[in-house]
Amino acid sequence: EDRLLESGGGLVQPGGSLRLSCAASGFTFSSYAMSWVRQAPGKGLEWVSSISGSGVSTYYADSVKGRFTISRDNSRNTLYLHMNRLRADDRAVYYCAKSLPPASDYYNGMDVWGQGTTVTVSS
Amino acid sequence: QSALTQPASVSGSPGQSITISCTGTSSDVGDYNYVSWYQQHPGKAPKLLIYDVSHRPSGVSNRFSGSKSGNTASLTISGLQAEDEADYYCSSYTSSGTLLFGGGTKLTVL
Repeated sequence: EDRLLESGGGLVQPGGSLRLSCAASGFTFSSYAMSWVRQAPGKGLEWVSSISGSGVSTYYADSVKGRFTISRDNSRNTLYLHMNRLRADDRAVYYCAKSLPPASDYYNGMDVWGQGTTVTVSS
Repeated sequence: QSALTQPASVSGSPGQSITISCTGTSSDVGDYNYVSWYQQHPGKAPKLLIYDVSHRPSGVSNRFSGSKSGNTASLTISGLQAEDEADYYCSSYTSSGTLLFGGGTKLTVL
């Protein structure tokens, strides 16, 4: 069974940093693009960032460009999201999600999701 | 970039059919066949229902179907069941190379 397990969320002060991780199992991790999607409390889904299966290509929403960095370690089957200069409006549940093939495409549907990890930005 | 436009809520009785619209622009929904639909129950992760406008992943009921006309995509749920009560989100690839979600639609089964 394909599974994703996020970790690393928590409480951080405005301007602080946090690194989220997503451990994958049950599928050949490097064969799929991966994404981060967030959901603020009581709000809808917002795409944050995606990365190709090889890790060569990365994509970001304007709201996080220059502050967040997506990366992956295919030898460890793990996806990361490095978040810097965090703001109050970054508060959300962050989900990692696996894209449908091919490995280069992140935009044709996300078929496996983790349970989410909560990020709270507050002083 | 603004979210794709979805109705805030729709409702229907068990056994009926409902349709949820998702309106974008010629820079997203209208120009690409990369529209997906997701179902999310309270406190749960989203579940993929439809990808590439009208394709269903294996395991998804054929009561769910998708279509597109111009800048508007649609999700139709036929034979409504109580378990279909949830939030539904569309998403589309955009000409900027980003993904855009709709604001979400709350489905109530009466």
